[in-house]
Amino acid sequence: DQQVKQNSPSLSVQEGRISILNCDYTNSMFDYFLWYKKYPAEGPTFLISISSIKDKNEDGRFTVFLNKSAKHLSLHIVPSQPGDSAVYFCAASASTSYGKLTFGQGTILTVHP
Amino acid sequence: GAVVSQHPSWVICKSGTSVKIECRSLDFQATTMFWYRQFPKQSLMLMATSNEGSKATYEQGVEKDKFLINHASLTLSTLTVTSAHPEDSSFYICSASRQAVLRGYTFGSGTRLTVV
Repeated sequence: DQQVKQNSPSLSVQEGRISILNCDYTNSMFDYFLWYKKYPAEGPTFLISISSIKDKNEDGRFTVFLNKSAKHLSLHIVPSQPGDSAVYFCAASASTSYGKLTFGQGTILTVHP
Repeated sequence: GAVVSQHPSWVICKSGTSVKIECRSLDFQATTMFWYRQFPKQSLMLMATSNEGSKATYEQGVEKDKFLINHASLTLSTLTVTSAHPEDSSFYICSASRQAVLRGYTFGSGTRLTVV
């Protein structure tokens, strides 16, 4: 049972344009959502997070949007840079789960120069 | 910032042997650490929650007798894969945090285990 889903295995974007990565979840208990960036053979690196009491959080080029009614979140990267090319994972946590993270399958982002 | 060190970064072992992976929080104390496993092109799956001074909590379907977790100090958790088999070959990653979940947990660099 995949509680966090990233339905797009890959995304290709031109440098300077916007990258939009999507994530859906099914567990209503999730109230914290995070995005991680990962390179092969390395651990994930934290990018940005959002609490369920908000619908938007912004940090530099990264913005995360949360639509609770649709159980959907997205990560916007603008402008996209070649160095952003990596695998992006969304993760969710419930405040009752003592910090456990449930990850999506990941989306491979490729930003072309 | 918070740093989590994981060792070794890769290991090859023979079937039937045991392998120990270490996860250390270098500049903070972590009462809780998490162990994940990632198969190629798949998601990170939580295996267990490591609690300092007490027994680990395993996720459903994870064999606790096969994946032994010890969290003897506030800066070190170990995962031992016992009697390893080729199907145990995977990428194992630990994480820890001293802050609220919204600040993001710090992950180790991972350990690539190959059982031959």
